[in-house]
Amino acid sequence: ILNVEQSPQSLHVQEGDSTNFTCSFPSSNFYALHWYRWETAKSPEALFVMTLNGDEKKKGRISATLNTKEGYSYLYIKGSQPEDSATYLCASLRGNQFYFGTGTSLTVIP
Amino acid sequence: EAQVTQNPRYLITVTGKKLTVTCSQNMNHEYMSWYRQDPGLGLRQIYYSMNVEVTDKGDVPEGYKVSRKEKRNFPLILESPSPNQTSLYFCASWGGASSGELFFGEGSRLTVL
Repeated sequence: ILNVEQSPQSLHVQEGDSTNFTCSFPSSNFYALHWYRWETAKSPEALFVMTLNGDEKKKGRISATLNTKEGYSYLYIKGSQPEDSATYLCASLRGNQFYFGTGTSLTVIP
Repeated sequence: EAQVTQNPRYLITVTGKKLTVTCSQNMNHEYMSWYRQDPGLGLRQIYYSMNVEVTDKGDVPEGYKVSRKEKRNFPLILESPSPNQTSLYFCASWGGASSGELFFGEGSRLTVL
């Protein structure tokens, strides 16, 4: 089993704060790194798909970076809003299988 | 609209009573997969399929079966459910590197008594 680890496990921030989470994955045989946003009672929705070392992607206030050589990705949220409250999952694609981390649960306090 | 549809969404059953969770996608994706979500363990892959009639075990296949007779459907079969299969199940499809992301169904919450 491929170990994908996410930290922190949970996070509470005040509205307007910026925050970031980490996803660590084995760097060997890397193919792609996915980030998903998962709200309670809904299905996970894709934020970013990243494949190249040094990739940086941005969607509104959310951005992500990728370091395939050292095996980590950061997700940043600038100026957190209550609607950002969700669990953020990362998944590493190796061969034909996706390996998910356990997620970072973000709560943004108004 | 791109969609992955799972049924049933909620099910309570008893030990040993065979059940099937259906999954259907409308994106003509070749890759489909099943995951289970348990507290503290993240999403774990049960089975996946690269194409029609091609299925492979994921990390936790014990107690499950799948079939892929047509591209759009990928049912998950629990021949003899046990309480340790109580979980939240997700089906997902993927169009490969060209399309990028996994598309998830809405989840099926299964309770085995």
